[in-house]
Amino acid sequence: GNSVTQMEGPVTLSEEAFLTINCTYTATGYPSLFWYVQYPGEGLQLLLKATKADDKGSNKGFEATYRKETTSFHLEKGSVQVSDSAVYFCALSGSNYKLTFGKGTLLTVNP
Amino acid sequence: GAVVSQHPSWVICKSGTSVKIECRSLDFQATTMFWYRQFPKQSLMLMATSNEGSKATYEQGVEKDKFLINHASLTLSTLTVTSAHPEDSSFYICSARDGIADPGGYTFGSGTRLTVV
Repeated sequence: GNSVTQMEGPVTLSEEAFLTINCTYTATGYPSLFWYVQYPGEGLQLLLKATKADDKGSNKGFEATYRKETTSFHLEKGSVQVSDSAVYFCALSGSNYKLTFGKGTLLTVNP
Repeated sequence: GAVVSQHPSWVICKSGTSVKIECRSLDFQATTMFWYRQFPKQSLMLMATSNEGSKATYEQGVEKDKFLINHASLTLSTLTVTSAHPEDSSFYICSARDGIADPGGYTFGSGTRLTVV
């Protein structure tokens, strides 16, 4: 079956630091890949997505590239802000359109 | 953009009572709705998938008689937790997909915090 493995947290950074959260996946076929963000007590918000190999998703300074050869979709941001503090989930959707989530990574950015 | 309204955002109920959670797509047709459960500091666990006008498909280990899902229209799905017990306390999140206009898109509700006392 499909699975997503993402970097265990928590991750604590200082403001303006570089962020990488690793995500790898196992899936049959050609899944779509997503990063979602969850702020405390809220639902999930789509951060970015990529639907085919070599696609780069980007939003609000975050980027991730769909790497089929390494089955990865690592999230990066060049300079984090305090407001980026949240839980980040990597996910994939396969042919059945169900989303499979990673376990989530808690990011805390200190001023 | 697509918006999903979920309410209530939080609810406290007595053990043995039933609670209904609503999930509405405000500006698109939700051909498929997904219901998730999230435990503290954990990932989302898919409970069931429902297509408009059809019976929900439950994931393994989820009691369909306890978690009743109705998806009677293209804009509304409900999850009813029947005879709730303290172990049902959790954060429940819905997600909707428009299989026609945007098959690869998923929009999430803001979640419902259920506490059973």
